[in-house]
Amino acid sequence: GAVVSQHPSWVICKSGTSVKIECRSLDFQATTMFWYRQFPKQSLMLMATSNEGSKATYEQGVEKDKFLINHASLTLSTLTVTSAHPEDSSFYICSAPGLAGSEQFFGPGTRLTVL
Amino acid sequence: GDSVTQMEGPVTLSEEAFLTINCTYTATGYPSLFWYVQYPGEGLQLLLKATKADDKGSNKGFEATYRKETTSFHLEKGSVQVSDSAVYFCALSLTRGNTPLVFGKGTRLSVIA
Repeated sequence: GAVVSQHPSWVICKSGTSVKIECRSLDFQATTMFWYRQFPKQSLMLMATSNEGSKATYEQGVEKDKFLINHASLTLSTLTVTSAHPEDSSFYICSAPGLAGSEQFFGPGTRLTVL
Repeated sequence: GDSVTQMEGPVTLSEEAFLTINCTYTATGYPSLFWYVQYPGEGLQLLLKATKADDKGSNKGFEATYRKETTSFHLEKGSVQVSDSAVYFCALSLTRGNTPLVFGKGTRLSVIA
């Protein structure tokens, strides 16, 4: 089946720094990828839709200047958390739709801890 | 809008017990339905899916049947194991491809030996 990877799997950073998270589709191309955020013991919250070659579409309440998304190629989308603060600490998960059907393939997630 | 409602957890069962996690949906069209599983500290894995009414998805002993008349997709397993302890998410998708899934809130299952 299709594989989506994320890097890094976990990161700890100081408050005020920026962190970049990569999401790659390893054996298929994805013109669209989705970024989710998950707080402890809660469901996934869609943050934004990443579109190859165009601007990302952000969900209501998500600051686009804080969560920068770049879909550089058909296999790579990046999420940069700028000037991170402790409240940005969370589990970030990306997904990409497969070629057939409506199934989504999820990355393993990135746990961000901001001190 | 489209939504998924699943039973709240946590659910705690003894090993070899029967499992049911209820899931109902609201959708304007004819969605595909999914169950995803999330083990501690990991991302989501597709457990099973069904794309049309009366389809039954099955995997690893888990089953769910797409019931259009009751707009439900309940997850069942006849005999759970400790290794089934995880969070289970019911989800729907209305279109093929480039739209995100709509998730339920998740149900945490703990199986004790």
